[in-house]
This record gives sequence, C-alpha cells and structure tokens, in this order.
Amino acid sequence: DVKVTQSSRYLVKRTGEKVFLECVQDMDHENMFWYRQDPGLGLRLIYFSYDVKMKEKGDIPEGYSVSREKKERFSLILESASTNQTSMYLCASSHPDGRNQPQHFGDGTRLSIL
Amino acid sequence: AQKVTQAQTEISVVEKEDVTLDCVYETRDTTYYLFWYKQPPSGELVFLIRRNSFDEQNEISGRYSWNFQKSTSSFNFTITASQVVDSAVYFCALGRAGGGNKLTFGTGTQLKVEL
Repeated sequence: DVKVTQSSRYLVKRTGEKVFLECVQDMDHENMFWYRQDPGLGLRLIYFSYDVKMKEKGDIPEGYSVSREKKERFSLILESASTNQTSMYLCASSHPDGRNQPQHFGDGTRLSIL
Repeated sequence: AQKVTQAQTEISVVEKEDVTLDCVYETRDTTYYLFWYKQPPSGELVFLIRRNSFDEQNEISGRYSWNFQKSTSSFNFTITASQVVDSAVYFCALGRAGGGNKLTFGTGTQLKVEL
C-alpha cells in the first residue's frame, strides 16, 4: 500500500514565521502535490512537482514555495506566515502514466497561524 | 477551464436509507477522468473510484454505485443501505489526460448517517 506521511497532524505558528510542512511518500511516485482545504472551497492546488527539482504553480501559489530535493520528499514552505494561511494542508502523490492515476493522500496537517 | 460542482453541501440520512451524492462537471476535453474520494473525520482522503470519459458503464462495488452520464455531464454516487461508518465528506474530482495527474475538486458533500 502507498504510504504518504505528513510530518505533523497539528501545528501552531505565529504571524511572520517561516513554516515548513514536510511530506514523504514510499512508492517512488514522480508526482507530488500540495493542497489546502477550506470549508466551502474544497481542495485547492498550491503547487505540484513532477520530478526532483521540478515544480509548477497550482491555482493558489501566492505566499508559498516548495522544495523537492529528493524524489520521496516534497516540502511546502510558508515564507512569512499570515493568519489567512490557517488551513488544513494535504499532500498527495501519484504515478504519472498519462491516464491520471489516482492520487494518494496523507492524513493532513491542521495549521493555525496566530 | 475545468469545473466540478457538488451542489449538496450537507446531507443527513437515517441508517439504512439510500442516498445519492450529485456531481456535475465542465470540461472541453474529450478525454478526461472522474474520481470520487471519501474523507472520514480522521482527515485522509481515500480513493473510491476512477472513471475515464470513454467508459460510461455504471459501476457497482458492494453498497456503492456510480452513474456516469456524459449527456448531462454528471457522475453521481449512490450509497445503498447507508451505515454510520459512511459518515464523511465526499469529493468528486476531474482530471485531464496527461496533465500531470492534476485534479480539479468539487467543494465536497458532508454526509451524516444517523441511527
């Protein structure tokens, strides 16, 4: 079974801090994704990566950056956290075969910015 | 542009009732993929089904069934004889062929099954 592990289930940070959210997958998937989930808005794609050191902006990349130095690890960075970044963050991975294979998700990180 | 609409924000049913969750999508692609995911209170999204645009055959898996109709751009999900364990948020999603596996999600439907 695919396992996607997010480093924290709950995280509390202060405004202006630099925040790192880590995600690791164990299935050698090329594609990895970061979403945020907000009530009434569903899941919105922040960034995705299709290979090591490769990244592409999603629908809401402002205020975020990402890092993918190793295939199994995809990090989301909040450069200077703000209260409107309080949200649930979900990481996912998938195998790319042109037929849109299902994404496998981690348990999510509930991030609160005070 | 791709869009997924789940008009039902919240549905409450009594155990053993049947319930249908609606999903309507918009796309200009001729090849695309439709998904349903379940998000229980624990938070992890669980994959339920993937359908490609060329396969309109309905699918049944135990108490779950899916009705794909291209004519109405809908991909509805029915749970038969609902159980309390079915309580979750359900998301419908749309993906492009070869688009890096990116998905466009609907806003989700919260299903509450009560005794």
